[in-house]
Amino acid sequence: NAGVMQNPRHLVRRRGQEARLRCSPMKGHSHVYWYRQLPEEGLKFMVYLQKENIIDESGMPKERFSAEFPKEGPSILRIQQVVRGDSAAYFCASSPPGWRTDTQYFGPGTRLTVL
Amino acid sequence: DAKTTQPPSMDCAEGRAANLPCNHSTISGNEYVYWYRQIHSQGPQYIIHGLKNNETNEMASLIITEDRKSSTLILPHATLRDTAVYYCIVRVAGAQKLVFGQGTRLTINP
Repeated sequence: NAGVMQNPRHLVRRRGQEARLRCSPMKGHSHVYWYRQLPEEGLKFMVYLQKENIIDESGMPKERFSAEFPKEGPSILRIQQVVRGDSAAYFCASSPPGWRTDTQYFGPGTRLTVL
Repeated sequence: DAKTTQPPSMDCAEGRAANLPCNHSTISGNEYVYWYRQIHSQGPQYIIHGLKNNETNEMASLIITEDRKSSTLILPHATLRDTAVYYCIVRVAGAQKLVFGQGTRLTINP
Protein backbone atom coordinates (compact mmCIF):
# COMPACT_ATOMS: atom_id res chain seq x y z
CA ASN A 1 0.00 0.00 0.00
CA ALA A 2 1.69 3.14 -1.19
CA GLY A 3 1.93 5.98 1.28
CA VAL A 4 0.89 9.56 0.80
CA MET A 5 2.44 10.93 -2.36
CA GLN A 6 3.31 14.51 -3.02
CA ASN A 7 4.68 16.15 -6.12
CA PRO A 8 6.72 17.89 -7.04
CA ARG A 9 9.19 17.29 -4.25
CA HIS A 10 10.96 20.55 -5.01
CA LEU A 11 9.46 23.58 -6.72
CA VAL A 12 11.16 26.84 -7.61
CA ARG A 13 9.11 29.86 -8.56
CA ARG A 14 9.84 33.52 -9.14
CA ARG A 15 7.90 36.17 -7.28
CA GLY A 16 4.49 36.68 -8.81
CA GLN A 17 4.20 33.21 -10.34
CA GLU A 18 1.75 30.53 -9.32
CA ALA A 19 2.63 27.37 -7.41
CA ARG A 20 0.56 24.18 -7.57
CA LEU A 21 1.28 21.43 -5.08
CA ARG A 22 -0.32 18.03 -5.46
CA CYS A 23 -1.15 15.38 -2.89
CA SER A 24 -2.43 11.86 -3.47
CA PRO A 25 -3.72 10.32 -0.24
CA MET A 26 -3.19 6.75 0.82
CA LYS A 27 -5.55 4.22 -0.71
CA GLY A 28 -8.85 4.23 1.11
CA HIS A 29 -8.26 7.61 2.71
CA SER A 30 -10.81 10.30 1.99
CA HIS A 31 -9.53 13.03 4.32
CA VAL A 32 -6.65 15.31 3.40
CA TYR A 33 -4.82 17.88 5.50
CA TRP A 34 -2.21 20.45 4.48
CA TYR A 35 0.47 21.78 6.81
CA ARG A 36 3.21 24.32 6.28
CA GLN A 37 6.64 24.42 7.89
CA LEU A 38 8.51 27.68 7.54
CA PRO A 39 12.30 27.54 7.84
CA GLU A 40 13.37 26.78 11.42
CA GLU A 41 9.76 26.74 12.60
CA GLY A 42 7.20 24.13 13.56
CA LEU A 43 4.45 22.64 11.45
CA LYS A 44 1.28 24.67 11.19
CA PHE A 45 -2.10 23.40 10.08
CA MET A 46 -3.52 25.07 7.01
CA VAL A 47 -6.62 23.28 5.73
CA TYR A 48 -8.65 20.08 6.05
CA LEU A 49 -10.61 18.69 3.13
CA GLN A 50 -12.83 15.76 2.36
CA LYS A 51 -13.77 14.80 -1.16
CA GLU A 52 -15.14 17.92 -2.86
CA ASN A 53 -15.52 19.76 0.45
CA ILE A 54 -13.39 22.13 2.50
CA ILE A 55 -14.10 21.32 6.12
CA ASP A 56 -11.71 23.64 7.96
CA GLU A 57 -9.57 26.33 6.38
CA SER A 58 -8.84 28.22 9.58
CA GLY A 59 -5.08 28.04 9.00
CA MET A 60 -5.08 29.27 5.43
CA PRO A 61 -3.79 32.77 4.69
CA LYS A 62 -6.71 34.95 3.67
CA GLU A 63 -5.36 35.80 0.24
CA ARG A 64 -3.60 33.98 -2.58
CA PHE A 65 -3.96 30.48 -1.08
CA SER A 66 -6.63 27.98 -2.05
CA ALA A 67 -7.09 24.22 -1.81
CA GLU A 68 -9.29 21.64 -3.44
CA PHE A 69 -9.85 17.91 -3.31
CA PRO A 70 -11.92 16.93 -6.34
CA LYS A 71 -13.96 13.78 -6.69
CA GLU A 72 -11.30 12.37 -8.99
CA GLY A 73 -7.60 13.09 -8.73
CA PRO A 74 -5.25 14.49 -6.14
CA SER A 75 -5.72 17.33 -3.73
CA ILE A 76 -4.22 20.60 -4.94
CA LEU A 77 -2.81 23.44 -2.86
CA ARG A 78 -2.56 26.51 -5.03
CA ILE A 79 -0.58 29.63 -4.21
CA GLN A 80 -1.08 32.58 -6.51
CA GLN A 81 1.40 35.43 -6.95
CA VAL A 82 4.00 33.83 -4.70
CA VAL A 83 6.20 35.97 -2.48
CA ARG A 84 9.51 35.14 -0.79
CA GLY A 85 7.70 34.53 2.50
CA ASP A 86 5.89 31.58 0.93
CA SER A 87 9.17 29.64 0.78
CA ALA A 88 8.58 26.67 3.04
CA ALA A 89 7.99 22.94 3.16
CA TYR A 90 4.38 22.00 2.53
CA PHE A 91 3.24 18.66 3.89
CA CYS A 92 0.10 16.78 3.10
CA ALA A 93 -1.42 14.16 5.38
CA SER A 94 -4.33 11.80 4.90
CA SER A 95 -6.56 9.73 7.13
CA PRO A 96 -9.31 7.20 6.56
CA PRO A 97 -12.98 7.98 7.21
CA GLY A 98 -14.27 7.32 10.70
CA TRP A 99 -13.25 9.10 13.86
CA ARG A 100 -11.86 6.02 15.59
CA THR A 101 -9.28 5.44 12.88
CA ASP A 102 -8.33 9.00 12.02
CA THR A 103 -4.59 8.81 12.50
CA GLN A 104 -2.95 11.12 9.99
CA TYR A 105 -0.14 9.84 7.80
CA PHE A 106 2.16 12.33 6.15
CA GLY A 107 3.74 12.57 2.75
CA PRO A 108 7.36 13.55 2.07
CA GLY A 109 6.52 17.18 1.44
CA THR A 110 7.05 19.74 -1.30
CA ARG A 111 9.79 22.27 -0.75
CA LEU A 112 8.85 25.55 -2.34
CA THR A 113 11.54 28.12 -3.01
CA VAL A 114 10.53 31.56 -4.20
CA LEU A 115 13.29 33.55 -5.86
CA ASP B 1 -6.41 20.76 22.22
CA ALA B 2 -4.43 20.55 25.44
CA LYS B 3 -0.98 22.04 25.66
CA THR B 4 1.97 19.71 26.00
CA THR B 5 5.39 20.34 27.48
CA GLN B 6 8.50 18.51 26.30
CA PRO B 7 12.19 19.02 26.98
CA PRO B 8 13.79 20.81 24.02
CA SER B 9 16.57 18.29 23.60
CA MET B 10 17.85 14.95 24.82
CA ASP B 11 20.78 12.67 24.13
CA CYS B 12 20.90 8.90 24.24
CA ALA B 13 23.59 6.33 23.52
CA GLU B 14 23.08 3.96 20.65
CA GLY B 15 21.65 0.65 21.78
CA ARG B 16 20.18 2.06 24.95
CA ALA B 17 16.53 2.80 25.62
CA ALA B 18 15.45 6.36 24.87
CA ASN B 19 12.75 7.65 27.21
CA LEU B 20 11.04 10.83 26.05
CA PRO B 21 8.75 12.54 28.56
CA CYS B 22 5.70 14.65 27.87
CA ASN B 23 3.54 16.62 30.29
CA HIS B 24 -0.11 17.23 29.44
CA SER B 25 -1.60 18.22 32.78
CA THR B 26 -4.75 19.76 31.28
CA ILE B 27 -5.68 16.77 29.15
CA SER B 28 -9.38 15.99 28.91
CA GLY B 29 -10.94 12.58 29.29
CA ASN B 30 -11.61 12.19 25.59
CA GLU B 31 -8.19 13.33 24.38
CA TYR B 32 -5.68 10.87 23.03
CA VAL B 33 -1.90 11.17 23.28
CA TYR B 34 -0.17 10.94 19.89
CA TRP B 35 3.52 10.76 19.10
CA TYR B 36 5.09 11.71 15.80
CA ARG B 37 8.68 12.25 14.79
CA GLN B 38 10.34 14.23 12.03
CA ILE B 39 13.67 13.04 10.78
CA HIS B 40 15.69 15.89 9.32
CA SER B 41 13.10 17.73 7.20
CA GLN B 42 11.22 14.64 6.07
CA GLY B 43 7.48 14.36 6.54
CA PRO B 44 6.35 13.64 10.11
CA GLN B 45 6.13 9.95 10.86
CA TYR B 46 3.38 8.53 13.05
CA ILE B 47 4.75 6.46 15.92
CA ILE B 48 2.02 5.51 18.36
CA HIS B 49 -1.01 6.80 20.22
CA GLY B 50 -3.06 5.89 23.27
CA LEU B 51 -5.91 6.97 25.52
CA LYS B 52 -5.48 5.39 28.94
CA ASN B 53 -3.68 2.10 28.62
CA ASN B 54 -0.05 1.59 27.80
CA GLU B 55 0.52 0.77 24.16
CA THR B 56 3.28 -1.01 22.27
CA ASN B 57 3.96 -1.49 18.58
CA GLU B 58 6.93 -2.39 16.45
CA MET B 59 8.41 1.08 16.82
CA ALA B 60 7.92 2.07 20.43
CA SER B 61 6.04 1.82 23.70
CA LEU B 62 3.83 4.49 25.20
CA ILE B 63 3.44 4.67 28.94
CA ILE B 64 0.61 6.90 30.22
CA THR B 65 0.37 7.69 33.91
CA GLU B 66 -2.77 6.71 35.76
CA ASP B 67 -3.92 10.32 36.09
CA ARG B 68 -3.09 10.83 32.39
CA LYS B 69 -1.24 14.05 33.09
CA SER B 70 2.00 12.80 31.61
CA SER B 71 3.35 10.11 29.34
CA THR B 72 6.64 8.63 28.19
CA LEU B 73 7.60 7.39 24.77
CA ILE B 74 10.14 4.59 24.93
CA LEU B 75 12.37 3.56 22.04
CA PRO B 76 13.73 0.29 23.44
CA HIS B 77 16.98 0.02 21.50
CA ALA B 78 17.81 3.36 19.96
CA THR B 79 19.78 3.49 16.71
CA LEU B 80 21.41 6.40 14.92
CA ARG B 81 18.40 6.50 12.58
CA ASP B 82 16.19 7.43 15.53
CA THR B 83 17.80 10.86 15.67
CA ALA B 84 14.85 13.19 15.05
CA VAL B 85 12.49 15.73 16.57
CA TYR B 86 9.78 13.95 18.54
CA TYR B 87 6.37 15.56 18.97
CA CYS B 88 3.85 14.73 21.68
CA ILE B 89 0.34 15.87 20.74
CA VAL B 90 -2.94 15.52 22.59
CA ARG B 91 -6.04 15.46 20.48
CA VAL B 92 -9.68 14.52 20.56
CA ALA B 93 -10.49 11.63 18.24
CA GLY B 94 -12.07 13.05 15.14
CA ALA B 95 -10.46 16.44 15.68
CA GLN B 96 -9.45 17.88 12.40
CA LYS B 97 -5.93 19.08 12.94
CA LEU B 98 -2.73 18.25 14.71
CA VAL B 99 -1.20 21.06 16.74
CA PHE B 100 2.55 20.66 16.77
CA GLY B 101 4.66 22.20 19.51
CA GLN B 102 8.41 22.52 19.47
CA GLY B 103 9.02 18.86 20.30
CA THR B 104 12.14 17.20 21.68
CA ARG B 105 15.24 17.00 19.52
CA LEU B 106 16.60 13.53 20.29
CA THR B 107 20.19 12.83 19.33
CA ILE B 108 21.43 9.26 19.36
CA ASN B 109 25.18 9.12 19.89
CA PRO B 110 27.41 6.25 18.73
